[in-house]
Amino acid sequence: ELKVEQNPLFLSMQEGKNYTIYCNYSTTSDRLYWYRQDPGKSLESLFVLLSNGAVKQEGRLMASLDTKARLSTLHITAAVHDLSATYFCAVDMLGNPPGGTSYGKLTFGQGTILTVHP
Amino acid sequence: EAQVTQNPRYLITVTGKKLTVTCSQNMNHEYMSWYRQDPGLGLRQIYYSMNVEVTDKGDVPEGYKVSRKEKRNFPLILESPSPNQTSLYFCASRYHSNTGELFFGEGSRLTVL
Repeated sequence: ELKVEQNPLFLSMQEGKNYTIYCNYSTTSDRLYWYRQDPGKSLESLFVLLSNGAVKQEGRLMASLDTKARLSTLHITAAVHDLSATYFCAVDMLGNPPGGTSYGKLTFGQGTILTVHP
Repeated sequence: EAQVTQNPRYLITVTGKKLTVTCSQNMNHEYMSWYRQDPGLGLRQIYYSMNVEVTDKGDVPEGYKVSRKEKRNFPLILESPSPNQTSLYFCASRYHSNTGELFFGEGSRLTVL
């Protein structure tokens, strides 16, 4: 069974500081997604990482994927209050189930609750 | 505008009273899925559908039914809701079962008394 673990689960940051959220997963996959969720809202896609070494950047957020280490990182640069939200990584089960049947399931990490303080 | 639309957004009901949460997408996506989100448990897949008339169980299917008679619609049916089905439900779709990111609906918050 695929396991996806994020750390930290809670992150309290000061504005202007840098930090990294880590996403580890337990089985081979080269497709990883990052989502953002504001309280009571839906999940918004941030990044789609489709190969080893993929790096994507949008504003103060940068995501990377190391498939050999089964690790993705979400780096926050010079945090601002607007980044306060819950961040999820999700790993694509493509081809992973026994028999290789692809059924499109994304397995999510527990989420990291980010709070940025002035 | 490309979107996944769920209804109702909020619902309070009583144990045993059948209900349906509708989901519709306008992106011609083949793949659709239902997740529930609970504190401390994250998002768990309930059912998914790879195409019209093709559905299968996810990780937590007990107490739920789905159907996929048309490509755009994927309703979630609770035949006899129980309090442990109180949750935030998300419908999601993607172009194909192995292509593209998942697009999520706005969520449906269900309370079963």
